[in-house]
Amino acid sequence: GQSLEQPSEVTAVEGAIVQINCTYQTSGFYGLSWYQQHDGGAPTFLSYNALDGLEETGRFSSFLSRSDSYGYLLLQELQMKDSASYFCAVRRTDSWGKLQFGAGTQVVVTP
Amino acid sequence: SAVISQKPSRDICQRGTSLTIQCQVDSQVTMMFWYRQQPGQSLTLIATANQGSEATYESGFVIDKFPISRPNLTFSTLTVSNMSPEDSSIYLCSVEGQGVADTQYFGPGTRLTVL
Repeated sequence: GQSLEQPSEVTAVEGAIVQINCTYQTSGFYGLSWYQQHDGGAPTFLSYNALDGLEETGRFSSFLSRSDSYGYLLLQELQMKDSASYFCAVRRTDSWGKLQFGAGTQVVVTP
Repeated sequence: SAVISQKPSRDICQRGTSLTIQCQVDSQVTMMFWYRQQPGQSLTLIATANQGSEATYESGFVIDKFPISRPNLTFSTLTVSNMSPEDSSIYLCSVEGQGVADTQYFGPGTRLTVL
């Protein structure tokens, strides 16, 4: 089976840096993805790591270490609009297209 | 990117009734996915809908409770049958991104409340 663990909530001030960790137990996966979901909205894709290392997309970066069964999403220069839930997800190897999501991390940005 | 619409956006239903949720995509896609998100929780995959074949259901979800149709490459429906308050959730459809590494696009969701 597969499970992904994330912290339930992180609070930080505007301009700060936040790191959301995702540890997983899985028998095999193609890559680790991150999605953002604002309250009442649809999840939107942020980043994907197929290989170990860092992927940078503007203020957001994502990291994967398969040997450590660990990844993280880094949010830099936090803005109020970054207040949302963030989910890590793995693409299952048993069937292409299926995503399994972590429980999600609520990020609260304060002034 | 893919633009996905869902109908209805929300509904309040009585116990024992059924609701059909529609999902329309602006491009042809092979697979469409239906997820459930209970309040404050993560997304759980219900089933995968392929055009021209039966939907494949995840563990814990059955066709009698969540029948799915996929009449063409841009449209799918999910029915929540014989509803109970435990079915109160947000139901989302999604599709694979075309040519974009490991992206899934989600519809806006249908917020269902069962009384």
